[in-house]
Amino acid sequence: AAGVIQSPRHLIKEKRETATLKCYPIPRHDTVYWYQQGPGQDPQFLISFYEKMQSDKGSIPDRFSAQQFSDYHSELNMSSLELGDSALYFCASSYTRGAPYEQYFGPGTRLTVT
Amino acid sequence: DAKTTQPTSMDCAEGRAANLPCNHSTISGNEYVYWYRQIHSQGPQYIIHGLKNNETNEMASLIITEDRKSSTLILPHATLRDTAVYYCIVGGGADGLTFGKGTHLIIQP
Repeated sequence: AAGVIQSPRHLIKEKRETATLKCYPIPRHDTVYWYQQGPGQDPQFLISFYEKMQSDKGSIPDRFSAQQFSDYHSELNMSSLELGDSALYFCASSYTRGAPYEQYFGPGTRLTVT
Repeated sequence: DAKTTQPTSMDCAEGRAANLPCNHSTISGNEYVYWYRQIHSQGPQYIIHGLKNNETNEMASLIITEDRKSSTLILPHATLRDTAVYYCIVGGGADGLTFGKGTHLIIQP
């Protein structure tokens, strides 16, 4: 079965640079979620989109923005990168036409800021 | 979303049933109980969910108490590959998931 695809899988950036992470949801899924997991921490919800509209917002820094496109893929844009942004970034997708909205996660993008 | 309480860690012998408890005493009537697990640095994996009734799928069983204030995830025949952090999450809609600390389950050979 098709899974959530994330690219790139690994990314190394320097402080103050920008980064763009991409997420391709499972076919027919209409909602995309972004999570951040710092070293030794549990995943933390950042933001989600349903039908290209922001549907929920978590602990996303103002330096980050995201959007969902007409083909349902999503991009997380990160600017003015800081050392503390080094983390695993997971994307998840779900089919939101009725509860219970279980989410399926991608393999993650490991971002290292030096 | 309601908060959950889970043991920090548990051990289980390979081949035995692993029973992971979760307390969610502030759960609302329309909130589901979800279980996910994360094997080291991989994306969290959905396991099972329930509302009121007990549920079973190919991975696990979920037992929810009648008052819905607690639940137990059962892995019937644990294998070494089941070693992971297991998260019990309560929620009612298509919002982002709130991950707590989870239970680190270690399957012993």
